[in-house]
Amino acid sequence: QSVLTQPPSVSAAPGQKVTISCSGSNSNIGNNYVSWYQQLPGTAPKLLIYENNKRPSGIPDRFSGSKSGTSATLGITGLQTGDEADYYCGAWDSSLSAGVFGGGTKLTVL
Amino acid sequence: QVQLVESGGDLVKPGGSLRLSCAASGFTFTDYYMSWIRQAPGKGLEWLSYTSGSGSAMFYADSVKGRFTISRDNAKNSVSLQMKSLRAEDTAVYYCVRDPVGYLYGMDVWGQGTTVTVSS
Repeated sequence: QSVLTQPPSVSAAPGQKVTISCSGSNSNIGNNYVSWYQQLPGTAPKLLIYENNKRPSGIPDRFSGSKSGTSATLGITGLQTGDEADYYCGAWDSSLSAGVFGGGTKLTVL
Repeated sequence: QVQLVESGGDLVKPGGSLRLSCAASGFTFTDYYMSWIRQAPGKGLEWLSYTSGSGSAMFYADSVKGRFTISRDNAKNSVSLQMKSLRAEDTAVYYCVRDPVGYLYGMDVWGQGTTVTVSS
């Protein structure tokens, strides 16, 4: 059971938009930054979004992040088949004094 | 280029010990927190531990506290994870990760991972 809650899977057609939610509590998302990671099959995770809504250099603006209260959302527009991957949210939990992740969401581009 | 290379993964018996190492290159090592993250087969990511740039601050997940110890050698640009009392549930790919600010603000460089298998 992950501290952060994500839907197990989402799907959408190429070119469409999808959102992935990440729900937590005041001890993690509510009072700390959220980051998002993309893990393509067979590879190490890659940073997509940091500090809630910032994109590292090289990450296209099709990827966006937002946070409201104790929830965060990753948005992906103009879906491509190459976006099929597992997506994870992460945050620091001040009560646990530990990092926590969501269980991951598998994105299928139909 | 910026790179993290893990080593030390192996097959070990339950109750055994193992030391993972991570060699960093291409950046000023002491400017960054360093973390260890693992992923069990078919499962999600699990944060394990991180150490500050100086090595003076360390945090651990409850699942490994008291069994795993993180350390860094800033003279050698390396970070290690000493693991003892290993259990079957410690079987996973272990990633060394760079964390610019700590606190999972955004872990921006990941190694390729090293595999630990705990089995008799």
